[in-house]
Amino acid sequence: EVVLTQSPGTLSLSPGERATLSCRASQSVKLAWYQQKPGQAPRLLIYGTSSRATGIPDRFSGSGSGTDFTLTISRLEPEDFAVYYCQHYGCSPTFGQGTKVEIK
Amino acid sequence: QVQLVQSGAEVKKPGSSVKVSCKASGGTFSNYAVSWVRQAPGQGLVWMGGIIPIFGTTNYAQKFQDRVTITADESTSTAYMELSRLRSEDTAVYYCARGGWGSGTYCQHYYSYMDVWGKGTTVTVSS
Repeated sequence: EVVLTQSPGTLSLSPGERATLSCRASQSVKLAWYQQKPGQAPRLLIYGTSSRATGIPDRFSGSGSGTDFTLTISRLEPEDFAVYYCQHYGCSPTFGQGTKVEIK
Repeated sequence: QVQLVQSGAEVKKPGSSVKVSCKASGGTFSNYAVSWVRQAPGQGLVWMGGIIPIFGTTNYAQKFQDRVTITADESTSTAYMELSRLRSEDTAVYYCARGGWGSGTYCQHYYSYMDVWGKGTTVTVSS
């Protein structure tokens, strides 16, 4: 089973700051990223490692390859404070444990 | 724009089964995969399994292999997830999600992104 390790567990930042979230895989994979707010279903942000899903603002970007991946939010808006998950493509996909982006 | 409408909350006794439905409204599942993902209170997302309705093929996560059954009825654009032998640890929100798939190297079909999600069904297991 592929293990995805996200870091940091919590990121404390202010609106307007840049957020850099990491996802490391135990073997080479392709990734998607999701945002989840309390009481809501996850929302797809990035697929195929770096393609933005429909309607996702361009302040969100995904990069990386192989086993190391990054989700970057260039300038945090108030609505971006949430939990972010990475997920790999596969026969039995798994999710990382999540990174919470909180207001500093 | 397709929406996934899930069945309502359930309260179940330990040892019983639950069956959750997921209906595509305003569209179909055609040529997409349907995954089931659960989230225990305060915890992360766990993929349980999925189905590709046009083929009827299923993949299950090893953790749930012996307790979960995922089916789909293309005529009504509805997918189902049944979980048996429930225990308290199965208390969670269960989501269905539509997404992409591809032909696999190590399995017939692999699951990729999940772009449309249901609102979730809360299943509580309690004696």
